[in-house]
Amino acid sequence: DVKVTQSSRYLVKRTGEKVFLECVQDMDHENMFWYRQDPGLGLRLIYFSYDVKMKEKGDIPEGYSVSREKKERFSLILESASTNQTSMYLCASSPRQSYNSPLHFGNGTRLTVT
Amino acid sequence: AQSVTQPDIHITVSEGASLELRCNYSYGATPYLFWYVQSPGQGLQLLLKYFSGDTLVQGIKGFEAEFKRSQSSFNLRKPSVHWSDAAEYFCAVGLSGGYQKVTFGIGTKLQVIP
Repeated sequence: DVKVTQSSRYLVKRTGEKVFLECVQDMDHENMFWYRQDPGLGLRLIYFSYDVKMKEKGDIPEGYSVSREKKERFSLILESASTNQTSMYLCASSPRQSYNSPLHFGNGTRLTVT
Repeated sequence: AQSVTQPDIHITVSEGASLELRCNYSYGATPYLFWYVQSPGQGLQLLLKYFSGDTLVQGIKGFEAEFKRSQSSFNLRKPSVHWSDAAEYFCAVGLSGGYQKVTFGIGTKLQVIP
């Protein structure tokens, strides 16, 4: 079974802090994704990566960056956290070029910025 | 760009009753369609998917969905709901020919009453 692990379940940070959200998958998937989930807005794609050191902007990349130094690990970085980044963050992975393959999700990190 | 509409934000059904969750999509080509379920505190899990062929697809946990091209719909159904089905349900459409960028609906929260 594919396992996607997000390092923190809950995180509380202060405005202006640099925040790292980590995600690791164990199925050798090429594609990895970061979404944020907000009530009434569903899931919105922040960034995705289709290979090591490759990244593409999603629908809402402003205020975020990502890092993919190893195939299994995909990090989301909030350069200077703001209160409007308080949200649930979901990481997902899938195999390359398999358009009909589902996304495999982690359990999420609930981030609160105060 | 593709889009997904889930017109019902909350639905309440009695245990044992039938269920239908609505989903409409907008996409120029043949879509890749998915239904995911999210239990409280968990990530998303795939219920079923449609790419081609038989327009009635079966999924896990006794769910099924029917693709109707003429109505641009992909409604999720279950003949008899169990209390454990209480969760949030997301319809999603995938973009063929790209890096599997998936657009999600805003979700339908299902409450099951005894």
